[in-house]
Amino acid sequence: AQRVTQPEKLLSVFKGAPVELKCNYSYSGSPELFWYVQYSRQRLQLLLRHISRESIKGFTADLNKGETSFHLKKPFAQEEDSAMYYCALSRGGSNYKLTFGKGTLLTVNP
Amino acid sequence: DGGITQSPKYLFRKEGQNVTLSCEQNLNHDAMYWYRQDPGQGLRLIYYSQIVNDFQKGDIAEGYSVSREKKESFPLTVTSAQKNPTAFYLCASSRAEVGEQYFGPGTRLTVT
Repeated sequence: AQRVTQPEKLLSVFKGAPVELKCNYSYSGSPELFWYVQYSRQRLQLLLRHISRESIKGFTADLNKGETSFHLKKPFAQEEDSAMYYCALSRGGSNYKLTFGKGTLLTVNP
Repeated sequence: DGGITQSPKYLFRKEGQNVTLSCEQNLNHDAMYWYRQDPGQGLRLIYYSQIVNDFQKGDIAEGYSVSREKKESFPLTVTSAQKNPTAFYLCASSRAEVGEQYFGPGTRLTVT
């Protein structure tokens, strides 16, 4: 069975500092990886997916199959980045269930 | 306003009562999902449906039931058999064979 691990429940940084939210996964096949974000009083929404290879709101994430990781990074954190972040894995193909990590609450201090 | 809606936003029930949470989508998505979100637990899949009249158990289906009679609707019933029903429930939908899911605003259920 697949598993997604986010080792940090809480992460606090200062505005302008780099931020990295860690995500490790276990799955023997070729997964699709996603980052979802939930801002205060807003819906959970997709931030980015590894197959898109794009930067959203300054965030990037690279799938490292050797280390089975999909860490989310931003070089200069902003206060509006404060939110709960979830890493998720899909087995791909016709099975598109998502397995979520437990989430990391990011706080960006002024 | 297109998207996925859940009602009600807050729901209170007495222990021993069944309760049904509504989820509707007008995105023409084939697949729909129910998750439970608890502090420190992330999202855990309760049930999911890939097509009308078909659904599968997720990781924590015990004490829950669903139906999928229409493409747009995927109601979740929390039965009296669910031992810890108080939680935040999220509904989501997606196109077939696409991992990106769209989430509703959630329903907070409190059972006393």
